[in-house]
Amino acid sequence: DTEVTQTPKHLVMGMTNKKSLKCEQHMGHRAMYWYKQKAKKPPELMFVYSYEKLSINESVPSRFSPECPNSSLLNLHLHALQPEDSALYLCASSRGLAGVAYEQYFGPGTRLTVT
Amino acid sequence: EDQVTQSPEALRLQEGESSSLNCSYTVSGLRGLFWYRQDPGKGPEFLFTLYSAGEEKEKERLKATLTKKESFLHITAPKPEDSATYLCAVQSIRGADGLTFGKGTHLIIQP
Repeated sequence: DTEVTQTPKHLVMGMTNKKSLKCEQHMGHRAMYWYKQKAKKPPELMFVYSYEKLSINESVPSRFSPECPNSSLLNLHLHALQPEDSALYLCASSRGLAGVAYEQYFGPGTRLTVT
Repeated sequence: EDQVTQSPEALRLQEGESSSLNCSYTVSGLRGLFWYRQDPGKGPEFLFTLYSAGEEKEKERLKATLTKKESFLHITAPKPEDSATYLCAVQSIRGADGLTFGKGTHLIIQP
């Protein structure tokens, strides 16, 4: 099973709201990722968690706050977003051994609209 | 900085008309090159991983190849269900575990 699940599928939020995106995998993977994808653009890396520790933060604004409660779950907390943050947010996971390029498996994404 | 360039941006083929998609890359030490397929509004679907020049992988009508500077995704006798955006991505020594994606090739197969 190579399934990564994400909830919710769609989210509409105002600029003053606080919301969270959730991601789950049961493949025993030890690395999890958040990517942002704007329309007709490729995915862009936001965060990498390796063995439940944040290892990469690609200069993402502080209004995005990641959390990895355990090896199967990944959250992205959202606060005071801007309309330009509207995008498809993708979660991915991989086996995650350092120095080895394993394939990443992506979830279906959460379509976020900020009004 | 790692760079991935895909061409063409869009490609329209007739069913059964074979062709190739190109992915050129510049990285500081390649760990792996990946091909994904993405349908509209969905997450990328993993297709292949290539690690070293000369390597080839095949799956149904798709074949991926790798040289020191580029990768090709060959599509043989495509069907309408092969229509999608095909993304190439690299993982480099500098980039740690993250992927750097190209802009993709939007492929349309007409019946």
